[in-house]
Amino acid sequence: NAGVTQTPKFRILKIGQSMTLQCTQDMNHNYMYWYRQDPGMGLKLIYYSVGAGITDKGEVPNGYNVSRSTTEDFPLRLELAAPSQTSVYFCASSEGGGANVLTFGAGSRLTVL
Amino acid sequence: GDSVTQMEGPVTLSEEAFLTINCTYTATGYPSLFWYVQYPGEGLQLLLKATKADDKGSNKGFEATYRKETTSFHLEKGSVQVSDSAVYFCALSSASSGGKLIFGQGTELSVKP
Repeated sequence: NAGVTQTPKFRILKIGQSMTLQCTQDMNHNYMYWYRQDPGMGLKLIYYSVGAGITDKGEVPNGYNVSRSTTEDFPLRLELAAPSQTSVYFCASSEGGGANVLTFGAGSRLTVL
Repeated sequence: GDSVTQMEGPVTLSEEAFLTINCTYTATGYPSLFWYVQYPGEGLQLLLKATKADDKGSNKGFEATYRKETTSFHLEKGSVQVSDSAVYFCALSSASSGGKLIFGQGTELSVKP
């Protein structure tokens, strides 16, 4: 079982560059999420999706964009990277919301210099 | 809004010591409560959960009881092992959070042989 797969695992960007973090899940989950994890700050929700074609903002969406054209894929796009976007990014999926359990990917560490 | 507060880390224990990691929450209604664990270099994974008051979640020797009267969900383990070294996150999901998880800041546990 692959679960949730994120690529790349590591990336260094220069200020102003753009990139896409890829996320794929093979569990046919409807819900998908992008979180960022900063030291001592827990996880903050960036964007989420409740199904193909539907996306919504989380707590910290500024500077990011997402799309959900298929059930499996939920890419996160960073436009005009800034040092404040240096973080570890986690993609997750679940069957539904509420008490449903999230399955997380292994994370993508992004550094913006 | 809803929130989760965990005890600050890092927590350092000797092998076979008793572990308590405190977690309190603020939420309207009756949230579901979770503990997730993040081992070094990995994504988060569910450790245990409880969905109603007085429920006890348990897994791998860890336990937590949903206390509505004290709005708490403290994590306990009677005898920790070196392999329990990880970061532990308390989280809630509620109607007012739209079913999305709200995480505490995480507590790092280090167990020494």
